[in-house]
Amino acid sequence: DAKTTQPPSMDCAEGRAANLPCNHSTISGNEYVYWYRQIHSQGPQYIIHGLKNNETNEMASLIITEDRKSSTLILPHATLRDTAVYYCIVLLYNFNKFYFGSGTKLNVKP
Amino acid sequence: AAGVIQSPRHLIKEKRETATLKCYPIPRHDTVYWYQQGPGQDPQFLISFYEKMQSDKGSIPDRFSAQQFSDYHSELNMSSLELGDSALYFCASSPSGLAVYNEQFFGPGTRLTVL
Repeated sequence: DAKTTQPPSMDCAEGRAANLPCNHSTISGNEYVYWYRQIHSQGPQYIIHGLKNNETNEMASLIITEDRKSSTLILPHATLRDTAVYYCIVLLYNFNKFYFGSGTKLNVKP
Repeated sequence: AAGVIQSPRHLIKEKRETATLKCYPIPRHDTVYWYQQGPGQDPQFLISFYEKMQSDKGSIPDRFSAQQFSDYHSELNMSSLELGDSALYFCASSPSGLAVYNEQFFGPGTRLTVL
């Protein structure tokens, strides 16, 4: 599976957009990009995934660059409850195991 | 909506004892995954099952074994417990191991403490 690189931590003001970057320069053509988050020792929670196109759901937007070597997760209006570790994961669609990297600790501040 | 159920939520054992963790997937989910998360660490994949057969294996110690039963629940058996086994153990389930995409739904975890 492709290796991902994320900044260890980021701060965001409450109500502002949080933009979390992820580099996956060795991604192959049939590997998906997934984003999960973990709030303080709870089970990781699915946020969004994508292959090539930008994706949006009720939680977030995922922007994937044209060369697919990086992506950005956007939380449009961050709240204090969005404080968590965010993991970017890349893997083939029918692989069973997630490899969690170090993730980004997002601190949303009042 | 029903979620993944794990039991027990907390477990305290002595060194060299055994422990059994249970996972009940979301109804109609046939694939189960186990992850271990040590203190201050990221979740590490241990093992997965699809339709009661082991489908993939990660960094699971030989002292650990797991299986998936006919009702799709899974059990992780841990023997000769060591202090380093103290961790959060997460179970996740997904609708199919052969799904086009692989969203995994995680349970709340079992916190195992080995004294």
